[in-house]
Amino acid sequence: EPEVTQTPSHQVTQMGQEVILRCVPISNHLYFYWYRQILGQKVEFLVSFYNNEISEKSEIFDDQFSVERPDGSNFTLKIRSTKLEDSAMYFCASKLEMAREQFFGPGTRLTVL
Amino acid sequence: AQSVAQPEDQVNVAEGNPLTVKCTYSVSGNPYLFWYVQYPNRGLQFLLKYITGDNLVKGSYGFEAEFNKSQTSFHLKKPSALVSDSALYFCVFYNYGQNFVFGPGTRLSVLP
Repeated sequence: EPEVTQTPSHQVTQMGQEVILRCVPISNHLYFYWYRQILGQKVEFLVSFYNNEISEKSEIFDDQFSVERPDGSNFTLKIRSTKLEDSAMYFCASKLEMAREQFFGPGTRLTVL
Repeated sequence: AQSVAQPEDQVNVAEGNPLTVKCTYSVSGNPYLFWYVQYPNRGLQFLLKYITGDNLVKGSYGFEAEFNKSQTSFHLKKPSALVSDSALYFCVFYNYGQNFVFGPGTRLSVLP
């Protein structure tokens, strides 16, 4: 069964450093998302991406964040200058069509020291 | 503002007993509603969804949920709980053309 994959599973970085979180969505899916979850709490929407552009972003997704789909398979989230409060689990998700369920990857745990 | 609520932070149930995890929503239009489960240190797994049609929907692992428009609820149920059902459950709504909105989550503990 196809699944969303994410790398790395755990990333530790120093405050102020840049990180790139990688995702490989399900191959025929068209809609891509990033979410974050702080310490097993509520899942917060960050950004959605469709047709090679951002379709919606939340207040969390400020100028320090960017997303890219550099080729036909990868979908990345970049944080330019990490802050302590960026420490969270980051989930990538994808879906085939608008009115369908999203499929989530296993997450990347980001720890900012 | 559109939102989804899960009024219980924690639900405890004995193995073999029926379980209910509650969800209510406040949205305009006709929402699509989902339940996702998160096992410890794992990602989010899709359980079931309501788009249209029968108000009672069946999903994975023996779970089901009933969409009740008059009460704006979408409670998750299972007739007989297993210890392995212990996890964090999220109710999620989606309005067409918008994005998923997650409820705060309910931690289910099934006691042997």
